[in-house]
Parts: sequence; C-alpha cells; structure tokens
Amino acid sequence: DADVTQTPRNRITKTGKRIMLECSQTKGHDRMYWYRQDPGLGLRLIYYSFDVKDINKGEISDGYSVSRQAQAKFSLSLESAIPNQTALYFCATSEKASQETQYFGPGTRLLVL
Amino acid sequence: AQKITQTQPGMFVQEKEAVTLDCTYDTSDPSYGLFWYKQPSSGEMIFLIYQGSYDQQNATEGRYSLNFQKARKSANLVISASQLGDSAMYFCAMREGGNAGNMLTFGGGTRLMVKP
Repeated sequence: DADVTQTPRNRITKTGKRIMLECSQTKGHDRMYWYRQDPGLGLRLIYYSFDVKDINKGEISDGYSVSRQAQAKFSLSLESAIPNQTALYFCATSEKASQETQYFGPGTRLLVL
Repeated sequence: AQKITQTQPGMFVQEKEAVTLDCTYDTSDPSYGLFWYKQPSSGEMIFLIYQGSYDQQNATEGRYSLNFQKARKSANLVISASQLGDSAMYFCAMREGGNAGNMLTFGGGTRLMVKP
C-alpha cells in the first residue's frame, strides 16, 4: 500500500465551486505539505504544517486554505475555484531530520472549467 | 534570479549508456540540501538522491550519482546504464537551511528519453 495517498486522483469542477483535496499518510511523519505543479514547470509550495496545531502559508497560498485534521491527514480546499487553479496538486510528508527528504503522494489532477 | 536552473529541456540517451542531467543553484545560505526527483508520465514524484552542502563525498544510490561541485554551485545527476524505464521528467530541487518552511525550490525539469 502507498505511504502517501491522495483523493480524488482526478477532478473536474466548475468556476466558483468549493473543492477539497485530501491527503493521508501512514509514514508517521509530523510534517506535511501541499504543492501545485503547472504544465512544464516545477512544484510550488502552497501550505505546510509541522504538526497538528501548526499551519503556515507557502509561496502561493492565495485562494487556498488547509486543515490538519490529524497527524496523518492534511486537506487542501479551494474556496471558490477559478480556471488558473487548474494544475496537478501534490501532498508531501517529511520527518524532522538533517536530510528531511519530502515524500510525495501520487498527485491530484484538477481541471477547473 | 532563478534559484535552481536546469538548462536542458529535453535529452536523448541510448539505452545502456550513461547520461548527465545538469543542475545549477543559487544560494547564499551555507546550509542547504539538494534533491533529485523523477516524474514518469504517470505523474508521481519519486525521490532519487540527496546531497547535503556539508557532505564531503558525492552521493550515490544504485545507478544514480550526484556530481556535486560546490564552488561552481552545480549538482548534476548522473544515470549510469540507462534503461527504457528511465524515460521521465527529472527535477532538481533545493532546500535552504534558513528556510523555516522547509520549502523545496524546484527547477523547470529535464525530459529524458531513452532510445532502444
């Protein structure tokens, strides 16, 4: 079974709709992240959380919100989706350490019409 | 200025040959980490290899090695004995030690195509 799972894997929605992307992990990591990837580009950080009570904005947080429901769960919400939020969204986790590699989920492809 | 630069948008390599994917970085932080990820056509991001700024030796992981030249600020990925399954996008990323969010900054990626 995958260590980091994301649901849904694919989603089509309309402009103005609220949508939630969910991430769960069984790695036991405290730190979780949400990134987006636009076609032909690298990933950019949206939000991150170092533990259940810790939520921080990343590089591109406008139009997004998050919820850390438990150590293993981190959800990303688009309050009112717009077409330029069409992207591939990744959840990642890491463990506090000197190397602290981030391990990514399989991604969610979101299309906003 | 770009923090991570990957100058090769696409590359071809013959199966069983070695290939080098270039990555240069820009930081004034003395403590940083460099990562390479592979993204196959299915979309997932797969961690390949890590190099810390204070590591004295180049990192190796199986067929992957990292040619770390600190003075030149380059961290090139070397894949030996290429396989057809190596065809994918490859991303170089950096985490700076002073970054409170542990944010990874990614380059634009290199698409590697392995020819049979």
